[in-house]
Amino acid sequence: EMQLVESGGGVVQPGRSLRLSCAASGFTFDDYAMHWVRQPPGKGLEWVSLISGDGGSTYYADSVKGRFTISRDNSKNSLYLQMNSLRTEDTALYYCAKDWRVGGSYLFDYWGLGTLVTVSS
Amino acid sequence: DIQMTQSPSTLSASVGDRVTITCRASQNVDTWLAWYQQKPGKAPTLLIYKASSLESGVPSRFSGSGSGTEFTLTISSLQPADFATYYCQQYRSSGTFGQGTKVEIK
Repeated sequence: EMQLVESGGGVVQPGRSLRLSCAASGFTFDDYAMHWVRQPPGKGLEWVSLISGDGGSTYYADSVKGRFTISRDNSKNSLYLQMNSLRTEDTALYYCAKDWRVGGSYLFDYWGLGTLVTVSS
Repeated sequence: DIQMTQSPSTLSASVGDRVTITCRASQNVDTWLAWYQQKPGKAPTLLIYKASSLESGVPSRFSGSGSGTEFTLTISSLQPADFATYYCQQYRSSGTFGQGTKVEIK
């Protein structure tokens, strides 16, 4: 059974850093691109970042470019999001999502349950 | 950036009703359009991709149509499990979502 389990969320002050992790199982991890998608409390969905199956290509939403870094460790079936210079507007539930292609198509065919990041002083 | 606009924002309906949700794209996205369902406290699940293709395991009462800039999601006979929020998403250029349509009990 396919599973994506996020961790690493919490409460952090503006300007600080946080690292999210996503543990994947039930599928051949390096055969698929992976994404982070976020959802502010009570609001809609926003794509954040994409990494290709081999980790060689990464893409970011303008709202996080230069502050967030996506990475993956295919030997550990794990996806990461390093978030620096956090802002209050980064407060959201962060989902790890599987792409249906190795290179990345922005079609998300499986999602984790999310990890909550709260940026507040 | 391609903007996605859904209507209505909220829809009140009864079990057995036929329900239609509309999604408009600010630019042509061909048929690179997906629909997701999200229940409270749960992650979104993929219902439809390529505008009209049903994801495996999704009941046949769900259907999608459209191309270019205008799309619809139809639930032919609303069931209790279908009360949820629905999002459209274009994936022609990056991935942007509509603001969501909440289907609630009338």
